[in-house]
Amino acid sequence: GQQLNQSPQSMFIQEGEDVSMNCTSSSIFNTWLWYKQDPGEGPVLLIALYKAGELTSNGRLTAQFGITRKDSFLNISASIPSDVGIYFCAGQFYQAGANSKLTFGKGITLSVRP
Amino acid sequence: EAQVTQNPRYLITVTGKKLTVTCSQNMNHEYMSWYRQDPGLGLRQIYYSMNVEVTDKGDVPEGYKVSRKEKRNFPLILESPSPNQTSLYFCASTLRGGGGLAYNEQFFGPGTRLTVL
Repeated sequence: GQQLNQSPQSMFIQEGEDVSMNCTSSSIFNTWLWYKQDPGEGPVLLIALYKAGELTSNGRLTAQFGITRKDSFLNISASIPSDVGIYFCAGQFYQAGANSKLTFGKGITLSVRP
Repeated sequence: EAQVTQNPRYLITVTGKKLTVTCSQNMNHEYMSWYRQDPGLGLRQIYYSMNVEVTDKGDVPEGYKVSRKEKRNFPLILESPSPNQTSLYFCASTLRGGGGLAYNEQFFGPGTRLTVL
C-alpha cells in the first residue's frame, strides 16, 4: 500500500519555539488529517482538512491542505511540554461506498526541551 | 462516554497459539477497522468492515481474520501467530464508511501490544 512521506523522524525544539511539519504524497487525497499519539494511547485527531488550499486552526495548531492535494503541513506555535508525542499525517481518498482507509505517514516524534 | 475499547492491552504468546483481540465501540458506528503500528512504518490497515457481516482486506491482511457479527464488536483473530506479527494493534471506528460528503472522524482504541515468541 502507499505511504505518505514525513520527515525527519524526530524533532527537538525548545519550549516556546514554533515548529512546522510537512507531509507529501505521490497520490492525491480529498481529505488530509493530522493526528497526535501520546505514549500508551491511540492516535487522536488534531485537525481535519477537506478542501485544497484550506487553512484551519485549532488553538496553537494550524494546518493547510496543499493546492495540489498531494501535501499538507502542520504548524505548532509557542510549543509547550505537553506537545511531546508522535505526530502523524494521514490522507484519505473519500468515495461513496468505498473503504474509509486512512493512509498514514511514518510519524514524527517531537521532543520539547523545557 | 463514547469510546473504542480493546482487550487485552498487552499480550505475550508463543508461535502457533491462536488468539483473539477484541474491539468494541459504543457509538453505533457502522465502519470499523484494524491497524498495526510498527516502528518506522506508521499505521497500516489490516482489515475493515463497512457494516455487520461486511468485511474486506486492507493493506496487510496475511495471517489475520476478522468477523463482524454485531455492529459494536470487531474481533481480530490470529489463527497461528508468528513472530512477525509482534506489533501494536489499533482498532478504529467511524460513523459510516464511504458515504456522505464530509469526513467522519475515526476514533481509535488505546491499542494492544502483542508479542509473539
